[in-house]
This record gives sequence, C-alpha cells and structure tokens, in this order.
Amino acid sequence: DVKVTQSSRYLVKRTGEKVFLECVQDMDHENMFWYRQDPGLGLRLIYFSYDVKMKEKGDIPEGYSVSREKKERFSLILESASTNQTSMYLCASRPFSYNSPLHFGNGTRLTVT
Amino acid sequence: QQPVQSPQAVILREGEDAVINCSSSKALYSVHWYRQKHGEAPVFLMILLKGGEQKGHEKISASFNEKKQQSSLYLTASQLSYSGTYFCGTGYLIQGAQKLVFGQGTRLTINP
Repeated sequence: DVKVTQSSRYLVKRTGEKVFLECVQDMDHENMFWYRQDPGLGLRLIYFSYDVKMKEKGDIPEGYSVSREKKERFSLILESASTNQTSMYLCASRPFSYNSPLHFGNGTRLTVT
Repeated sequence: QQPVQSPQAVILREGEDAVINCSSSKALYSVHWYRQKHGEAPVFLMILLKGGEQKGHEKISASFNEKKQQSSLYLTASQLSYSGTYFCGTGYLIQGAQKLVFGQGTRLTINP
C-alpha cells in the first residue's frame, strides 16, 4: 500500500513565523502535490513537483514556496505565516503515468494566530 | 481553472439515486473522482481519460462526454456509506506532467 505521511496532524503557529510542512511518500512517485482545503472552496492546488528539484506553481502559490531535494520528500514553506493561511493542508503523490490516481496524506490542520 | 461542480450539496434517503456533475470551459485531459469522509483523506474512485468513456460498476459509475468538457458521477441505490464530499479533479499538461486541479466539492448526505 502506498503511504503518504505528513509530519504533523495539527500545528499552531504565530503570525510572521516561518512554517515548514513536510510530506514523505514511500512509493518512488515522480509527482507530488500540495493542496489547501477550505470549506466551500474545495481543494486548491498550491504547488506541484514533477521531479526532484522541479516545481510548478498551482492556482494559489502566493505566500508559499516548496522544496523537493529528494524524490520522496516534498516540503511546503510559509515564509511568513499569516492568519489567512489557517487551513487544512493536504499532500498527495502519484506516479508519472496519466491514468494513475492521487494518494493523499491525512492532512495537516494549521492554525495561525 | 477550477472545474465547476453541481450541485453543491444534496440530501437523499437511502436507496435513492444521485448525479453529480463536473464541467469546464476547456477540454480536459482527464477527469478524476474522489470521495472524502469527514476528517479523512480523499479516496480515489475512478479516472476517465477518453471522450465518450463510461466507467465504474453498477452502483457507482461515471461518464466523460465526447467533447471532454463534462463528466458526471452516478450513484445508484445509495447506501449510508456513500455519504461524504465528492470531488472531481481535472488534468492539465505542464512540462509533460499532469497538473491536477479540483472542483469545490459536492456534499452528499444519505439519511436512513
């Protein structure tokens, strides 16, 4: 079974802090994704990566950056956390094949106070 | 670029049928369907790649229209376990990789 592990289930940070959300997958998947989920807005893509060190912006990249130094790990970075970044963050991975599904982690609920 | 889902919410009695629609103004490379239960990660249901494709088993199935701009998810004789939020995701090719974006979700509630 594919396992996508997000380092924290719940996180509370203060405004202005630098925040790292970590995601690790154990299936050698090429593609990894970060989404945020807010009520009524669905899953919105922040960034995705299609290979080590390769990244593309999603629909809402402002205020976020990402890092993928190793194939299994994809980090989401909030350079200076703000209250409007309070949300549920979901990481997902999939192999390169176009007919492969996404495998999601259990999510990190981030609260910025 | 987010696809548009309709309806936003639906309440059914057990045994009734439901249809959830997903549409885009542009042709889509693919359509993914997922279900998410409260407090859990989304779970994959199916992927459709070809215009005119229909997929699934008798109780949960999906179609992708010929122009590849609309997909529908069909839930037949719904069970309590079908409750959750359903998301369609659509694929766009960037740098040879497939960017996946999701609709806003459809909340399905099945009552006994």
